[in-house]
Amino acid sequence: NAGVTQTPKFRVLKTGQSMTLLCAQDMNHEYMYWYRQDPGMGLRLIHYSVGEGTTAKGEVPDGYNVSRLKKQNFLLGLESAAPSQTSVYFCASSYEKAYEQYFGPGTRLTVT
Amino acid sequence: GQSLEQPSEVTAVEGAIVQINCTYQTSGFYGLSWYQQHDGGAPTFLSYNALDGLEETGRFSSFLSRSDSYGYLLLQELQMKDSASYFCAVRSYSGGYQKVTFGTGTKLQVIP
Repeated sequence: NAGVTQTPKFRVLKTGQSMTLLCAQDMNHEYMYWYRQDPGMGLRLIHYSVGEGTTAKGEVPDGYNVSRLKKQNFLLGLESAAPSQTSVYFCASSYEKAYEQYFGPGTRLTVT
Repeated sequence: GQSLEQPSEVTAVEGAIVQINCTYQTSGFYGLSWYQQHDGGAPTFLSYNALDGLEETGRFSSFLSRSDSYGYLLLQELQMKDSASYFCAVRSYSGGYQKVTFGTGTKLQVIP
């Protein structure tokens, strides 16, 4: 089992460009999450999904969109990247109880 | 709203015991999780407490006092590889929705 995988691992964008981050999990988890991690700020929830076809906003959703067309995949989109979106992005998945989340290896995104 | 407080940094000697505290303020509290994250890596789940008391998993133990809104992670027989950041995370329910909120993390440095 691969667990949770994320692509790409690194990316540099110019301000205004768009991109999509892909997360995939092979544990048949219902719940999936996107977090961003900035120095000294811990993990902040961007969007999450409690099942295929459903998404909801987290703590810091502005500037991001998500889709969960298949149970195993959760996509995070940046329509018009800004330098403030420079961060490390983690995807995670869990069963319904959510207290034990499995994280992917992260994507380091730099917006110049 | 919700808030979690953890010390930002802790230093301890190899072979010793260290305690990392977490205090929280939240409504609809269900439980407290702990995660470990090495530099450049992904967070990994360590433990979860839903009830008062101590849970032991090898060298790591986690404690919860719901009446004091307080928990801690105890690491015994410290090893150099325990140098990492440790996050507490509160699981709560509000308006029928489950929520997990992470603290800002405690960076543990183990010195020889």
